[in-house]
Amino acid sequence: GNSVTQMEGPVTLSEEAFLTINCTYTATGYPSLFWYVQYPGEGLQLLLKATKADDKGSNKGFEATYRKETTSFHLEKGSVQVSDSAVYFCALTSGAGNMLTFGGGTRLMVKP
Amino acid sequence: DGGITQSPKYLFRKEGQNVTLSCEQNLNHDAMYWYRQDPGQGLRLIYYSQIVNDFQKGDIAEGYSVSREKKESFPLTVTSAQKNPTAFYLCASSAPPGESTDTQYFGPGTRLTVL
Repeated sequence: GNSVTQMEGPVTLSEEAFLTINCTYTATGYPSLFWYVQYPGEGLQLLLKATKADDKGSNKGFEATYRKETTSFHLEKGSVQVSDSAVYFCALTSGAGNMLTFGGGTRLMVKP
Repeated sequence: DGGITQSPKYLFRKEGQNVTLSCEQNLNHDAMYWYRQDPGQGLRLIYYSQIVNDFQKGDIAEGYSVSREKKESFPLTVTSAQKNPTAFYLCASSAPPGESTDTQYFGPGTRLTVL
């Protein structure tokens, strides 16, 4: 079956530091890959997505590249801000019904 | 503005009571989903519906029920059979007709607490 593994948090960084949150996956077929962000007490917001190998998704300074050879979709940002503090979820869809399979989430804390 | 609304934001229930959580979308999406999120954990699928008047169980359907009488609405009932209902519940929708079908968009969530 499908599965997504994310690095465990919390990840604590100082403002303007470089961010990497690792995500690897196992899936049948050709999955689409997603990063969602959840701010405290809120629902999930789509951050970025990639639908095929070597695609790069980007949004709000965040980037992730679909790497089929390493089955990875690591999230990066060059300079984090306090406002980026949230929980980040890696996810994939594959197969009939477009069911999302989520990783366990990684909490990011950015200190001034 | 188009979007997904969930109500109420906070809900309190006594043990043994059924409670219904509302989810409405005006995005013209065919598919709708219900997820449960427990503290510090990821999301687990409760039920989903790909089309009006049809729905399927997800990974943790026991103790829950749904209906899909209208395209815009997908209410979730948490029954007294659900042994541990305190959680954050998220509704999502996807698949505008004629467009990519693999992106789900989420509502703001309802936090249910059993007293």
